[in-house]
Formats: sequence, C-alpha cells, structure tokens
Amino acid sequence: DSGVTQTPKHLITATGQRVTLRCSPRSGDLSVYWYQQSLDQGLQFLIQYYNGEERAKGNILERFSAQQFPDLHSELNLSSLELGDSALYFCASSVVLGGNNEQFFGPGTRLTVL
Amino acid sequence: KNQVEQSPQSLIILEGKNCTLQCNYTVSPFSNLRWYKQDTGRGPVSLTIMTFSENTKSNGRYTATLDADTKQSSLHITASQLSDSASYICVVPANTGNQFYFGTGTSLTVIP
Repeated sequence: DSGVTQTPKHLITATGQRVTLRCSPRSGDLSVYWYQQSLDQGLQFLIQYYNGEERAKGNILERFSAQQFPDLHSELNLSSLELGDSALYFCASSVVLGGNNEQFFGPGTRLTVL
Repeated sequence: KNQVEQSPQSLIILEGKNCTLQCNYTVSPFSNLRWYKQDTGRGPVSLTIMTFSENTKSNGRYTATLDADTKQSSLHITASQLSDSASYICVVPANTGNQFYFGTGTSLTVIP
C-alpha cells in the first residue's frame, strides 16, 4: 500500500458525460501528479500540482481539468467524454517538487466510456 | 525530441533464470532515471532511482545500471520468481522535474 488513495476504483459512463476522479496523497506529500494509461499508449503524464498550484502540464486535453485543494487532495475532471478516454487514471504523490523525488502511485481509477 | 525507448517489448523466461531489460533515452538535460514495476491493473511501484553519478544500484534481486554517456540503462533481474511477472517501466524526468517521459514498458512473464 503506497498510502495514496483514489476513488472510485471503477467508473462506467457514457459518451458526452462528465466525471470526477479523486486522489488523496500520502500524508505530508505536497505534490500530486495525474497520469493516464491506455492499453496502446502506456503511461502518459497529464498534470502536476504542488501545494495547490499547477506546476506542469503534460499531454492533457482541454476537456480535462484538475485542481488541488487546501487539504492537498486533488480532483481530475473529465468532460465531454469520448470512447478513447477509456483508460486507467493514476494519481501519484511526492514530498516536494523536483525530479529526484520518488513518486508513490495510487491504485488507479479504471474509467470505461460506453 | 525527448524520448524513452524500452526493449524487448515482452519477454518470457523460466522461473529461476536471469534476465536483462533495456532502456534508451534521449531526454536532455538529464536528472535521473527510474525503474518501476507495475503489476496488471495496479499502480507502478518504484524499484530504483538513479542519478547522473550512479552507475549501478541494487534493490534485492533487481540491479539497475546507468551509462549516462551512451544514455542507456538496464534492469537485471536475478533468479526470477513467478511474482516478478509484471510490466517494467523506465521513466526519465526532465531536468526541471516537472515533465516525465515514460517508456512503453517491458512485459515480463515468468513461467514455472
């Protein structure tokens, strides 16, 4: 158990809908990262927050947005869902900002768009 | 272009045998290189983080090597066990630490 929690574990929804994925980082970790893992593309970095502020953006679509709240939990919002958005979404956390910090991954949320 | 490439894409070995997985990267400037193990349907778990000055680092039966000159890393697994069956992912952050480049992983299957 990494100490990072994600909810829900599974989510099934229809195209065009909007969903929210939630992540609670490890106690004491200030940085949160979101990743998407599709079957054919491997892990893709989406976005990073540090202490409530956005710090880096990767391959995140405009239909997707995220935020980190004062209690450091984070939410990833996916809207106007398409079939291709079906994937595993992982959240990871680390103590501080910076490339040498180990990231701890949550168990993921499996999103299925029908 | 910043990239991370892994080989082989998949590998099947007998229990008890050794194997070596490869990772080549073009990410620059280089900060560190990470190897993760990911069981099917679960989050990746860190095996090692190697910085520029480290050539070899071990974590139990896992030994990672890094050649920063040729921009290559390898992960050697000794005396494989059935529980080693997983995907092994090589990750190289950009020097700023705010962008991460992932390899597509090597899928390892250990058979009895």
